[in-house]
Amino acid sequence: GAGVSQTPSNKVTEKGKYVELRCDPISGHTALYWYRQSLGQGPEFLIYFQGTGAADDSGLPNDRFFAVRPEGSVSTLKIQRTERGDSAVYLCASSSTPYTGELFFGEGSRLTVL
Amino acid sequence: GENVEQHPSTLSVQEGDSAVIKCTYSDSASNYFPWYKQELGKRPQLIIDIRSNVGEKKDQRIAVTLNKTAKHFSLHITETQPEDSAVYFCAAFLGGKLIFGQGTELSVKP
Repeated sequence: GAGVSQTPSNKVTEKGKYVELRCDPISGHTALYWYRQSLGQGPEFLIYFQGTGAADDSGLPNDRFFAVRPEGSVSTLKIQRTERGDSAVYLCASSSTPYTGELFFGEGSRLTVL
Repeated sequence: GENVEQHPSTLSVQEGDSAVIKCTYSDSASNYFPWYKQELGKRPQLIIDIRSNVGEKKDQRIAVTLNKTAKHFSLHITETQPEDSAVYFCAAFLGGKLIFGQGTELSVKP
């Protein structure tokens, strides 16, 4: 596609529910990144993939968070037993390689946990 | 791991004046330093970047300088315009990932 696409753009859920957020990177980009951005803060690194494998998942806050990229293209960020503190904008970015740092961001998925 | 500090958190200037935002990083192995502009409710958009083998880069009204010895880099915007109003983020690239600063909210008053 022309840019990084994220769905849904907005998600409202109740505390304790399970949520999936989807990212479709720029076609041909091998590196895919997930960030979390809280109001008034900079994007916080969560995880990045090179191809199908998670190259660095050191930013995932706890084991309720999990991400997959089974075919090396689309990725899904999964959050179990959501908490109010998970409310944020989840940004996805892609890059043609993981070695340049030139990331292109999607518009984000705004998650609100009530 | 890498840590990026950004200052100031807010900056207000008159239209036509210059604006300067500064960042420091902790890991000398970082080799790429982009700047992103984010308007309210929008995605971060890359506006300029610099690699560690260059000391300065300019693109029209914006420029970035890098001091590797001191581990700091700065964004300079000249002849500011109201449409420059946004939140600006610096970042440092290390180990395959970008680490972002906390952001600077720039307000340009007409």
